[in-house]
Amino acid sequence: QVQLVESGGDLVKPGGSLRLSCAGSGFTLSDYYMKWIRQAPGKGLEWIVYISSSGTTIYYADSVKGRFTISRDNAKNSLYLQMNSLRVEDTAIYYCGRAGRNGGGGADWGQGTLVTVSS
Amino acid sequence: QAVLTQPASLSASPGASASLTCTLRSAISVGNYRVYWYQQKPGSPPRYLLRYKSDSDKQQGSGVPSRFSGSQDVSANAGILLISGLQSEDEADYYCMIWHNSAWVFGGGTKLSVL
Repeated sequence: QVQLVESGGDLVKPGGSLRLSCAGSGFTLSDYYMKWIRQAPGKGLEWIVYISSSGTTIYYADSVKGRFTISRDNAKNSLYLQMNSLRVEDTAIYYCGRAGRNGGGGADWGQGTLVTVSS
Repeated sequence: QAVLTQPASLSASPGASASLTCTLRSAISVGNYRVYWYQQKPGSPPRYLLRYKSDSDKQQGSGVPSRFSGSQDVSANAGILLISGLQSEDEADYYCMIWHNSAWVFGGGTKLSVL
């Protein structure tokens, strides 16, 4: 059974850094396109980053470009999101998602991890 | 003008059908895009429902009932999620999404009330 478990969410001060993890089970993460989205409290969904199965193609939303970095550890079947220069507006639940083997918009999502940026 | 526009809310009665619209910015044509639909209930992650571009290019999400279907209204430049035989459990937020200019773009979401 496919499962994604996010972790690493925390309370952090503006300007700080945080690394989120997404552990996959029931499938081989490197065979799939993966993505991160987020949802601010009481708001809609916002896409953040999309990585190809090979890892050679990565797309970032303008709102996080230059601050966030996605990476993968195939041996641990895990995905990571390094978040630097955090802002108050980055406060959200962050969801990790598995898209298709060839990409696409459909995805299975984890339960999410909460990131709060506040002084 | 937002890339994708969804009505903020919609109400319908149990057993009836609901048509949720996702209107694309006028400069882009719905016929050129796969429109994806997600359902989200409070406290839960989004759930992939389906995608629709044409009758020959569509996909139903795993385990999604056939009473959820997609279509498009070219004249309105909109993707449509049709839910037939509404049930109380269909009460949720619904989001549309497209791949546009190397980015996934979500609509603002529609809150569907079944009452």
